[in-house]
Amino acid sequence: GAVVSQHPSWVICKSGTSVKIECRSLDFQATTMFWYRQFPKQSLMLMATSNEGSKATYEQGVEKDKFLINHASLTLSTLTVTSAHPEDSSFYICSARPMAGVNTEAFFGQGTRLTVV
Amino acid sequence: QKEVEQDPGPLSVPEGAIVSLNCTYSNSAFQYFMWYRQYSRKGPELLMYTYSSGNKEDGRFTAQVDKSSKYISLFIRDSQPSDSATYLCAMSAGVNTGNQFYFGTGTSLTVIP
Repeated sequence: GAVVSQHPSWVICKSGTSVKIECRSLDFQATTMFWYRQFPKQSLMLMATSNEGSKATYEQGVEKDKFLINHASLTLSTLTVTSAHPEDSSFYICSARPMAGVNTEAFFGQGTRLTVV
Repeated sequence: QKEVEQDPGPLSVPEGAIVSLNCTYSNSAFQYFMWYRQYSRKGPELLMYTYSSGNKEDGRFTAQVDKSSKYISLFIRDSQPSDSATYLCAMSAGVNTGNQFYFGTGTSLTVIP
């Protein structure tokens, strides 16, 4: 299957600092990438949908000024958690859907575990 | 009511057993059905992708979709300890409705050697 690389796989940061997470589709182009958040023993919660070259669409309740998403190219989307606080500690996962095909499956990155201390 | 319902388990089976994992859903517009396997602290890995109703088989895995009952299943034959993971079902109504995926909560499976 297609490969989606997410970096870093884990990060610890101090409260008040910002953290950037990268999501790259390695062997395909992705018009759309998705950012999810997952709490322990819970399912994936969609945070936002990122379209190349345009502003991200955020789900209700997700602060767009706190979770900045940039989709600069067809293979890269970034999520920046600004002014991180301990409650932002979570597992963040991106997914990307290949451009080829109309309704295709999504492939996930390996996730980033963020711990804010 | 959630869009997708999935029993979180946990489910423990002996090695070699047949495992049945299920999800129900409420949105009749869903046409695309996926099963993902997620190991601890890893991203979900696509196992099966099915369009509309019917069965799909891939090795030890069989996915079934019954749209009339709004019910999907994943069967794992000859289960192995390496199958121990959380299994997530996901579904989508397709690109014409935003292509958003809706996930179940995941079922935690342990296969005991």
